Amino acid sequence: GNSVTQMEGPVTLSEEAFLTINCTYTATGYPSLFWYVQYPGEGLQLLLKATKADDKGSNKGFEATYRKETTSFHLEKGSVQVSDSAVYFCALSRGGGGADGLTFGKGTHLIIQP
Amino acid sequence: GAGVSQSPRYKVAKRGQDVALRCDPISGHVSLFWYQQALGQGPEFLTYFQNEAQLDKSGLPSDRFFAERPEGSVSTLKIQRTQQEDSAVYLCASSQQFGGGNTEAFFGQGTRLTVV
Repeated sequence: GNSVTQMEGPVTLSEEAFLTINCTYTATGYPSLFWYVQYPGEGLQLLLKATKADDKGSNKGFEATYRKETTSFHLEKGSVQVSDSAVYFCALSRGGGGADGLTFGKGTHLIIQP
Repeated sequence: GAGVSQSPRYKVAKRGQDVALRCDPISGHVSLFWYQQALGQGPEFLTYFQNEAQLDKSGLPSDRFFAERPEGSVSTLKIQRTQQEDSAVYLCASSQQFGGGNTEAFFGQGTRLTVV
């Protein structure tokens, strides 16, 4: 079945540092890929998505590119801020056709220090 | 409403007790999902509704878990004879239409269930 592996946290960085959170996946077919973010005390929010190979999703300065050849969807940001501190989840669509749910990674806790 | 609303936010149940968790999706959203998130883990899919039809319940861990959405809006996840391993955060999500991975799912804040 589908699965997602993402780097373990916590990841601690200084403000304005470059961020990479690795995500690789195993899937049959051609899933869509997502990054969700959970800020303290809030629900999961969609950060960005990509629906086919070589697509780049971007939002709030974050980017991730759907790499079919390496089955990866790494999250990057050039200059992080304290407000980016949160838990980040990589996810992929469970199956083809229909909004039939997501398979999530375990999450990466990101801590940005001023 | 403005977002997906779940109640209660916190629930403590004695082992063997039945519980019911409620989800109010965003008005007009066709699809509704339930997930279970154990401490330190990512959410795991439980079940999925399209309107009132439960199209996939393959993630429900046992026959003690039951979900319904009788009128295609509010949904209830019921857990019978709760066990300690049921302790988790239960997340509800809704999306505007079915459409595969192109449809964004909006999540509620979850219900934290603790079985003692």
